[in-house]
This record gives sequence, C-alpha cells and structure tokens, in this order.
Amino acid sequence: NAGVTQTPKFQVLKTGQSMTLQCAQDMNHNSMYWYRQDPGMGLRLIYYSASEGTTDKGEVPNGYNVSRLNKREFSLRLESAAPSQTSVYFCASSEGLAREQYFGPGTRLTVT
Amino acid sequence: EDQVTQSPEALRLQEGESSSLNCSYTVSGLRGLFWYRQDPGKGPEFLFTLYSAGEEKEKERLKATLTKKESFLHITAPKPEDSATYLCAVRPSKYSGGGADGLTFGKGTHLIIQP
Repeated sequence: NAGVTQTPKFQVLKTGQSMTLQCAQDMNHNSMYWYRQDPGMGLRLIYYSASEGTTDKGEVPNGYNVSRLNKREFSLRLESAAPSQTSVYFCASSEGLAREQYFGPGTRLTVT
Repeated sequence: EDQVTQSPEALRLQEGESSSLNCSYTVSGLRGLFWYRQDPGKGPEFLFTLYSAGEEKEKERLKATLTKKESFLHITAPKPEDSATYLCAVRPSKYSGGGADGLTFGKGTHLIIQP
C-alpha cells in the first residue's frame, strides 16, 4: 500500500516551459487535491477534485490546470512556467471532502 | 475571510519538558479541525481530526483539544523524535474566501526537542 505517490520528486524548468506533475493514490479515495507550500506561508490549495469527473478551483489556481484522469490519478499542469511558481507541490487524497487528507511526498519545482 | 493562526512560530524544549502549541481560528463555521506533523523534506502526516468544542483526541505523547475559538496540541514528556513542524488546518462550514471547499492551513509551529 503505497498511499499517495508523486512524480517527479525534483524538477527544474526555464521560464515559459510546460510540465505535468503526476499524482496517484491506491486508497480508493474519492477526493484529491493539489497544494503548494512556500517558505513562511501555509499550504495553499490550487485545485481539487471532489470526486471522479469533477474539478474545482482552490485559493491560487491561476497559471495551473488539472485533470482527474480516473479515480486514482490527478495531474497538475503548468502551461507556461513562471519564477513565481517555484515551490513545493503536494498532492493529497481523502475519502470525501469532510475527511482527513493524506499527503504525498511532494515535488520540488524550481523555475529559472 | 477564514484565518488560522498558530503560535508560537518556533519552540525549543528540553527532552521531557511538556508544553502546548496553539491554533486560533476564525471561520464562518467549522466542519473539522485537523492537526498534521511535517518532517523536513516530507509531506504532512495526519495526526488528529476534531469536530466539536470539548472534543479531545490522544496519540502517544500528543493530545489535541478543541474550543470554539482555538485548538491546543499538548505534548507530554517529548522526545527528540517529536521534533517537527506541526500544522493546523480548518474546514469551514460553507464556501468562503475564493469559494473553494478545502482546508485552510496555518503556517505551522516548528518544534525542536533537545536531548
């Protein structure tokens, strides 16, 4: 039981490049989330998916897109990376929106 | 706007020295308060969920309590392996802020337990 897995662990991009962060969970959870964590700030919600087939914006969605590929997988895409998107990105999942969330190990992204 | 404030920002204790971490919140209504532990370079690890004032949860040396305005994480006789950043998060009862139905996190308390 791997829990929540994320790939890649580290990534360096140049401004304007695009990339997709992958997330998968094996806990049969309905809800999945993407957060970013920056020094001196709390975790901030980017997008979430309450259930398969639905996605909604979080607190800081600008510059990102998401896809809930199936119940297990939820990807985050940066179409044109900017230095302000340098951050650590965490994926999480939960049985439902009201339940505790379980987090992946994170992707450390640097945009130069 | 929903807010979560954790204090202190950092706390250094001697092994065995008990203390408490505070999480104050202002939300339009509470559907859950969550405590997480985060080790350097890792994702947050779930500790507790509290749903109503007066509720308490315990796990080993940790005990979480909840009132209508704040939550405390009590650490009894801590050990060096309890060193971590402890995060508090709330889930409001209705859409607020940007309209997202997710958790609002505090900035965390960085706890160091010295041998």
